[in-house]
Amino acid sequence: GIQVEQSPPDLILQEGANSTLRCNFSDSVNNLQWFHQNPWGQLINLFYIPSGTKQNGRLSATTVATERYSLLYISSSQTTDSGVYFCAVERRGNSGYSTLTFGKGTMLLVSP
Amino acid sequence: GAGVSQSPRYKVAKRGQDVALRCDPISGHVSLFWYQQALGQGPEFLTYFQNEAQLDKSGLPSDRFFAERPEGSVSTLKIQRTQQEDSAVYLCASSPTSGGGLDYGYTFGSGTRLTVV
Repeated sequence: GIQVEQSPPDLILQEGANSTLRCNFSDSVNNLQWFHQNPWGQLINLFYIPSGTKQNGRLSATTVATERYSLLYISSSQTTDSGVYFCAVERRGNSGYSTLTFGKGTMLLVSP
Repeated sequence: GAGVSQSPRYKVAKRGQDVALRCDPISGHVSLFWYQQALGQGPEFLTYFQNEAQLDKSGLPSDRFFAERPEGSVSTLKIQRTQQEDSAVYLCASSPTSGGGLDYGYTFGSGTRLTVV
């Protein structure tokens, strides 16, 4: 099956710093999504981004599908950004449905 | 409801005990997925329902795991004779369309954290 690798595995930032999280995937995909898992375990949708660039406030994401990677940028980080960031990819086969393959995540800790 | 609701939020089971985990998807959502998230790992697919039909159970780790969605809404994941390796967070997700699809949106519940002692 498809492999999804995220880097770095852990990241500690001072509040206000910027960071880039990376997601590499081993084969072509139909869709890609970035999630944030908060300390209570909830997976929050950040970006649906199969290709191109999107921005939402301090966060932005870029996916270069032809080169099989996606980047998540966090600018001016805040303590509330802490948590685990997951990249998930989707491949559709002939079955008529699709499932998600997640990376292992990047654990981010933003200290005040 | 407004979101995907899972219960219980936490479950501690003695090894060998049977457990049942409940998922209430968003009303009207056709697709329902179960994922297992071990400590320090990303979620991994367990099983998929389209309405009441279980179309894919390829991710269930053993025949001790059983899932159902008899009326096409609420789903239950049952684990028989729990083992320590079953300790994980069990996440449920629903999607409005047949087949799911990130482009149509997934909504995840907060999960049930199962600890087997």
